[in-house]
This record gives sequence, structure tokens and C-alpha cells, in this order.
Amino acid sequence: GQQVQQSPTSLVLQEGENAELQCNFSTSLNSMQWFYQRPGGSLISVFYNPSGTKQSGRLTSTTVIKERRSSLHISSSQITDSGTYLCAMERWGKLIFGQGTKLSIKP
Amino acid sequence: GALVYQYPRRTICKSGTSMRMECQAVGFQATSVAWYRQSPQKTFELIALSTVNSAIKYEQNFTQEKFPISHPNLSFSSMTVLNAYLEDRGLYLCGAREGGTNERLFFGHGTKLSVL
Repeated sequence: GQQVQQSPTSLVLQEGENAELQCNFSTSLNSMQWFYQRPGGSLISVFYNPSGTKQSGRLTSTTVIKERRSSLHISSSQITDSGTYLCAMERWGKLIFGQGTKLSIKP
Repeated sequence: GALVYQYPRRTICKSGTSMRMECQAVGFQATSVAWYRQSPQKTFELIALSTVNSAIKYEQNFTQEKFPISHPNLSFSSMTVLNAYLEDRGLYLCGAREGGTNERLFFGHGTKLSVL
């Protein structure tokens, strides 16, 4: 089975609404990371190895490593937030990615 | 800061031909480099992990015969897709880190491979 499970698979929101993305891990992990994948494909690291709650602008990550879960909250979403958000866990030096959540923000 | 340049950004090759992509680390020493592939509608899969002065470790379903990797120094790595076919198309990403496996991976922009 998948070691990194993300939900929802896709999410469509109106501009201004809040988005909540979930990531669950089926095995123990050393660390995890949230990425934003641009429509062109390149990855941008959003949060690296967060623990507890961390905020960066309108993005908030809440991670509990012991419980093997992490969430990404996007407040007051904007059209430019559209794209795919990936979480990944690090284990034995390898980064294992989830399937991603495709976020679409409509005007 | 740490940067990873990957090129080409996009490439198209004929079915059965080979294609080489390169990865350059700037601002840090890339002691290990990981190559990933994202096939259409899928997530990133690890192809192989290359650590300087160690053997390159390929994941299941990926082989050196198909994806030979070179990691000759602490700033450069390349990977070739040999005899590319339709199932090889996708986005290939290199990630590099300095130090041990607990260190952060920095990613390039990726090479998008299309196969005709």
C-alpha cells in the first residue's frame, strides 16, 4: 500500500475560501516536507521538516510526527494558489511522495 | 544559497533514441543526488540514489542499464534515458543534498521528456 496518503485528491474552491489538505503516513518517518508543484512541473518547498504548527504567510502546517500526520491550511485562497500540493516523507535517506492534492481556485 | 540547476528543461526524442539530462549544484557540495520521475498523472518515483564514493542504488523497476547515472564530482550529476519509449515520458527531477541523509534535498526545475 501507499506509504504516503494525501487527501483530498482534488479540491475546487472559490477565491477567498480556506483550503485544508491532509497527509498521513503508514510507517514511521524521520521527517516530512510539503511541496507546491507549479503547472509547469517544478517543485517549490513550502515547509521543510515542520513539527508542531508553523506559518508562512497564508500557509500553515500542522505536523505530529509521532501520529504520522500533517496538514496544510491555506487561508483566503487566491487564484495563484492553484496547482498541486505534494507531501513527502523521508525515510532511510529517501524521499517518498504522496499522490498530491490538485487545488483549483475559481474566481 | 543552495541552488540546483537542471537542464534541459524540456526535450523531445524519437522512440528508441536516448536522452541525457544534467544536474548542477551551486553553493553547496552535492554529496548525494537523487533522481526522480513523475509519469503523467502520477507522483514522483525514486529512480536511484547516488552518493559520492558509494555505489549507485537503483530502486525496484529501474536499472542501470536503462538509466545510467554519472556522479563524477561534488557539483555535477547526469542521467541518461536509454532507448526511450512512450512509457518513459514524464518529468525527471534531480535532488541534491550536502552531507548525510538527514540533510535537506534541494531540487532542480526538472526535465520534461516527451517521446515521439
